[in-house]
Amino acid sequence: TQLLEQSPQFLSIQEGENLTVYCNSSSVFSSLQWYRQEPGEGPVLLVTVVTGGEVKKLKRLTFQFGDARKDSSLHITAAQPGDTGLYLCAGDSVQNQGGKLIFGQGTELSVKP
Amino acid sequence: NAGVTQTPKFRVLKTGQSMTLLCAQDMNHEYMYWYRQDPGMGLRLIHYSVGEGTTAKGEVPDGYNVSRLKKQNFLLGLESAAPSQTSVYFCASSYRSPQPQHFGDGTRLSIL
Repeated sequence: TQLLEQSPQFLSIQEGENLTVYCNSSSVFSSLQWYRQEPGEGPVLLVTVVTGGEVKKLKRLTFQFGDARKDSSLHITAAQPGDTGLYLCAGDSVQNQGGKLIFGQGTELSVKP
Repeated sequence: NAGVTQTPKFRVLKTGQSMTLLCAQDMNHEYMYWYRQDPGMGLRLIHYSVGEGTTAKGEVPDGYNVSRLKKQNFLLGLESAAPSQTSVYFCASSYRSPQPQHFGDGTRLSIL
């Protein structure tokens, strides 16, 4: 069974602080996606990384795909209350059939003013 | 621009009752998925479909059935609901693999 382990599971920080969320696996992924989910809504895609070592930036968010394509990280600089939400990583296995994604457990982020 | 629409949004059932959750997408996507989301467990795939008339089992298929008679619709059925099926159910669709998945806003289902 392929697993994606996300850490930390919960994170509560003050506005202006930096944070990093990790997504790790023993499996290799063709690509890895990061989603953000707000209460009462479905997940919304933030970014997809496909190349080992790739770094993508989305305003204050920086996403990195590990060289071996087994792990990824999300770094938020100067967090704001609007960043509050559930962050999910999801991997597309190299053995994938049918477009299935494997999701991590999620990181619940709370940014206090 | 509706995207993925799930109905109903909320439902309370008694143990043993049956019901069908409907998912409709207007993006002409080939792939559709049903997930359940429980606290601390992320999203777990129940069933999925790679095209009209096809279905396949995901990670947690027991107690659920699905049908994809039309490309735009994907139905999830609970034949005899159990309290362990209390969860938030999400439908998603994608154009093809490994394109990003587009999610509906979920159905909150409680089984007493």
